[in-house]
Amino acid sequence: DAMVIQNPRYQVTQFGKPVTLSCSQTLNHNVMYWYQQKSSQAPKLLFHYYDKDFNNEADTPDNFQSRRPNTSFCFLDIRSPGLGDAAMYLCATSRDQSGGADIQYFGAGTRLSVL
Amino acid sequence: DQQVKQNSPSLSVQEGRISILNCDYTNSMFDYFLWYKKYPAEGPTFLISISSIKDKNEDGRFTVFLNKSAKHLSLHIVPSQPGDSAVYFCAASPGVGGAGNQFYFGTGTSLTVIP
Repeated sequence: DAMVIQNPRYQVTQFGKPVTLSCSQTLNHNVMYWYQQKSSQAPKLLFHYYDKDFNNEADTPDNFQSRRPNTSFCFLDIRSPGLGDAAMYLCATSRDQSGGADIQYFGAGTRLSVL
Repeated sequence: DQQVKQNSPSLSVQEGRISILNCDYTNSMFDYFLWYKKYPAEGPTFLISISSIKDKNEDGRFTVFLNKSAKHLSLHIVPSQPGDSAVYFCAASPGVGGAGNQFYFGTGTSLTVIP
């Protein structure tokens, strides 16, 4: 059973047209992450939520925003997609375990194309 | 600046032989390391981890070795099976546990196990 679900799996948008990617989880984890992965590159963390607390990476462009309305759902909003934003977007979750393994569970990703 | 490097984009191994995947890192603050496995059209899944207090961790056919002085870790798969064919990502973090520990990923190594 899928535990971290990303929709849609493929998304095509036009240059400058806002787009929203969604992620849901059935694990009841309190931390959710969004990564961007471009071809042949390492996944790059954009931001994460610890419960409702939003943590943005310093080099994440302002064009990228996120919302987490409840524990189960997290959204990635790209306000004005550019051609350079075409990538695979991965959502992940983890359960805060102080002193323990902080394993992240990933969804299958959404591949975004920008025309 | 890529802090985790996987210098071999691909590796081919005969079934039954050993697969050795390598990973190098530059940040001496990293003390927790994970390997993820990714099949096409799926998200990365956790495979095995090691903390800096150990130099070896074993789980069935998978063993991870850590050489802190060399800032190098490796994943050994023995014996290799065709189902092991996947992309393997190395990831490193400066902390064990805790919310939102950022993991730095390598670019991945695509392993092909030839029957």
